[in-house]
Amino acid sequence: AQTVTQSQPEMSVQEAETVTLSCTYDTSENNYYLFWYKQPPSRQMILVIRQEAYKQQNATENRFSVNFQKAAKSFSLKISDSQLGDTAMYFCAFMKHETDDMRFGAGTRLTVKP
Amino acid sequence: GAGVSQSPSNKVTEKGKDVELRCDPISGHTALYWYRQSLGQGLEFLIYFQGNSAPDKSGLPSDRFSAERTGGSVSTLTIQRTQQEDSAVYLCASSLGSGINFQQYFGPGTRLTVT
Repeated sequence: AQTVTQSQPEMSVQEAETVTLSCTYDTSENNYYLFWYKQPPSRQMILVIRQEAYKQQNATENRFSVNFQKAAKSFSLKISDSQLGDTAMYFCAFMKHETDDMRFGAGTRLTVKP
Repeated sequence: GAGVSQSPSNKVTEKGKDVELRCDPISGHTALYWYRQSLGQGLEFLIYFQGNSAPDKSGLPSDRFSAERTGGSVSTLTIQRTQQEDSAVYLCASSLGSGINFQQYFGPGTRLTVT
């Protein structure tokens, strides 16, 4: 079974600064997908960014980028120019290639301070 | 409806009672997931359906928990003889597509409180 570990239960950052959230995973698979989801207080889960394991280039979406280190099985999320609206729980997730089986980490609660 | 719906939105029950939680996925979505989120905690995988079958039931915390899905659509999660530690938000999600186009769509959750 795949496991996803987020070692930072809580983090905070000043508005406009940069923060990096850590995620590691354990798998014997070679092809898979990685995701970061955001869950604001509204409880709705929102997809932030996704990465294909066979692509070496790190995915970016506006202020959000990842540092994907396949050999180290690490998938960190960098949020640049943090905004108050970024305050949320962030979940890292793993999915094996050609399956629908998605597994999540325990989450990191991020607070952006004014 | 346009999204995943869950009912009830809130449920308060006495310890020892049985509860049923319902999930209506987005029409046409083949995969359906149940997760549990305790207060301020992460997402705990419970069970996942592909069509009507559940390839992986390993996340169910105990034999008091069961889930079914009929007609490849609606799913119910049943908790028998509820305990206080069952108090949590139960989230349902459905998905369509695979690979990099895969995306889960989550419902608003059912907040279960066992007194």
